[in-house]
Amino acid sequence: NAGVTQTPKFQVLKTGQSMTLQCAQDMNHEYMSWYRQDPGMGLRLIHYSVGAGITDQGEVPNGYNVSRSTTEDFPLRLLSAAPSQTSVYFCASSYSGQFTDTQYFGPGTRLTVL
Amino acid sequence: KNQVEQSPQSLIILEGKNCTLQCNYTVSPFSNLRWYKQDTGRGPVSLTIMTFSENTKSNGRYTATLDADTKQSSLHITASQLSDSASYICVVTLSGGSYIPTFGRGTSLIVHP
Repeated sequence: NAGVTQTPKFQVLKTGQSMTLQCAQDMNHEYMSWYRQDPGMGLRLIHYSVGAGITDQGEVPNGYNVSRSTTEDFPLRLLSAAPSQTSVYFCASSYSGQFTDTQYFGPGTRLTVL
Repeated sequence: KNQVEQSPQSLIILEGKNCTLQCNYTVSPFSNLRWYKQDTGRGPVSLTIMTFSENTKSNGRYTATLDADTKQSSLHITASQLSDSASYICVVTLSGGSYIPTFGRGTSLIVHP
């Protein structure tokens, strides 16, 4: 099993550009989520999904879109990148999203918006 | 506002020594508390998960304790190794169906030979 994979590992964008961060898992997990990690702050939840076709907003959803067409994939779209979106983005998955489930994190995507 | 505060912010110890990291939270109603280890440049990895009814959980040389009355948790690392150098993150989740966890800022641990 590859676990949770993310692409790309690094990305530089100009303000106003759009892009999609890819996330995939091969563990047949129902629950997937996206976080951002900024220096001096804890991880913050952007969006999450409890299964294919179901998504919901987390703590900091503005400026980001998600969709979940398959169990395996959960892409994160930046519609019009802003410097405030410079961050490290982590995708995570767990079996069902229940409180006692172990969450597995991907290796992260480091995004810089100029 | 629900908060998770960790202390110390950073810690340097010698290899072989023990250490204890602290986590205080105001999240209520409380469901579970997790400790993660995050190596530099990598995603967090789960160490322990405790519900409100548990007061201790071990994972090898890592032992987490929880006092739900005082809203405090600690992570004790025994006989530290160089590979323990990492950030340790405390995460608390509300009960009642919320999927939004609250992450602490982490404690950066450096283990010197």
